Amino acid sequence: QLQLQESGPGLVKPSETLSLTCTVSGASISSSAYYWGWIRQPPGKGLEWIGSCYYTGSTYYNPSLKSRVTISVDTSKNQVSLKLTAMTDADTAVYHCARRASYSPGYFDYWGQGTLVTVSS
Amino acid sequence: EIVLTQSPGTLSLSPGERATLSCRASQSVSSSSLAWYQQKPGQAPRLLMYGASSRATGIPDRFSGSGSETDFTLTISRLEPEDFAVYHCQQFASSPWTFGQGTKVEIK
Repeated sequence: QLQLQESGPGLVKPSETLSLTCTVSGASISSSAYYWGWIRQPPGKGLEWIGSCYYTGSTYYNPSLKSRVTISVDTSKNQVSLKLTAMTDADTAVYHCARRASYSPGYFDYWGQGTLVTVSS
Repeated sequence: EIVLTQSPGTLSLSPGERATLSCRASQSVSSSSLAWYQQKPGQAPRLLMYGASSRATGIPDRFSGSGSETDFTLTISRLEPEDFAVYHCQQFASSPWTFGQGTKVEIK
């Protein structure tokens, strides 16, 4: 059974860098059949796509975040990572990782429960 | 960027009633590039529909989707207790992929 589990600090100070990890079980990050993405949801707001990556290292980012985001895969640990620099209050959100099948034009078929990240000094 | 506007913000209905949720796009979106998700508190979003009208694996047939260009609809024919949740639409016709702000279906 596929499981995606996000982990990382629940609290980050303004201007710091957020580092989150998504540990995948039940599927291989190295499979050519999947892409992996990050989506966030600020409190009281809608979902926002952050970016996606492929096991080859190819990445696709939301232009609004591109200058601050890095998404990467660690095939040895079966993990997908997210780094977001220069955090501000506006980055407070629940961060989800999700899987997209390679045949999917853009929808995500499995999501993690998400992890809440609060930006505060 | 394509903006998706979902309405209503909240839908108050009773079990057994029909729910009609709207997702309107600021630009034309191919029907093959529209998906719907269901999310319950503290849970991961769950894919319901893709390609506007195709049900994801395991989704009961009381859920249906329709629409084209800028107007899309998710219909739940008869609400079951487990259907009370927040529903999100997503477009992936053009980058950046965007989501609506969600419609909450609550028990009346």
